[in-house]
Amino acid sequence: KNQVEQSPQSLIILEGKNCTLQCNYTVSPFSNLRWYKQDTGRGPVSLTIMTFSENTKSNGRYTATLDADTKQSSLHITASQLSDSASYICVVAGYSTLTFGKGTMLLVSP
Amino acid sequence: DTEVTQTPKHLVMGMTNKKSLKCEQHMGHRAMYWYKQKAKKPPELMFVYSYEKLSINESVPSRFSPECPNSSLLNLHLHALQPEDSALYLCASSQLKGTGGIDEQFFGPGTRLTVL
Repeated sequence: KNQVEQSPQSLIILEGKNCTLQCNYTVSPFSNLRWYKQDTGRGPVSLTIMTFSENTKSNGRYTATLDADTKQSSLHITASQLSDSASYICVVAGYSTLTFGKGTMLLVSP
Repeated sequence: DTEVTQTPKHLVMGMTNKKSLKCEQHMGHRAMYWYKQKAKKPPELMFVYSYEKLSINESVPSRFSPECPNSSLLNLHLHALQPEDSALYLCASSQLKGTGGIDEQFFGPGTRLTVL
């Protein structure tokens, strides 16, 4: 069964600090892995998308890594801002499937 | 234009009402999706349209009826809903890869539905 597990479930950090979110998956076949940011009551917004051959991809202060051998990904947020407070969802695409993680709720505190 | 739009933003309806949710994209995407999202849960796939044809129906109750009039529009017709159907309804679109697979999805802002 395809599964995507995210940790931690929730996280509180101080503004300006860095943090790393984790995503472990068991999806086969694997096509790509996406990280989305979702503000409360809004639609998810894509941050990064990585294929099997990509180890890291950055989007501003967001850097995602992928280890396809261990089936793990991480999302690193640098110099956090209050606007980073949101849910971060890891989504793994198979050939014709999408498996969503339950998300990590991040709260950046002033 | 890299935007998926959804209307209305908010909808309150009674259990006997008939209403429709609308979604539109002008990115030339040939796959469009409806998701249902409850609070603090990930989106759950409801329907997928590929080339304007329904390709996936995730065992959704018949009180939800999707429609894809053309490649840019996607509707979700609602009838005789239950209070537990209250949720955020998200529309998304993506390209279809020639070799198969699901390309990056672009999500709309969602419609917040409340069923009384």
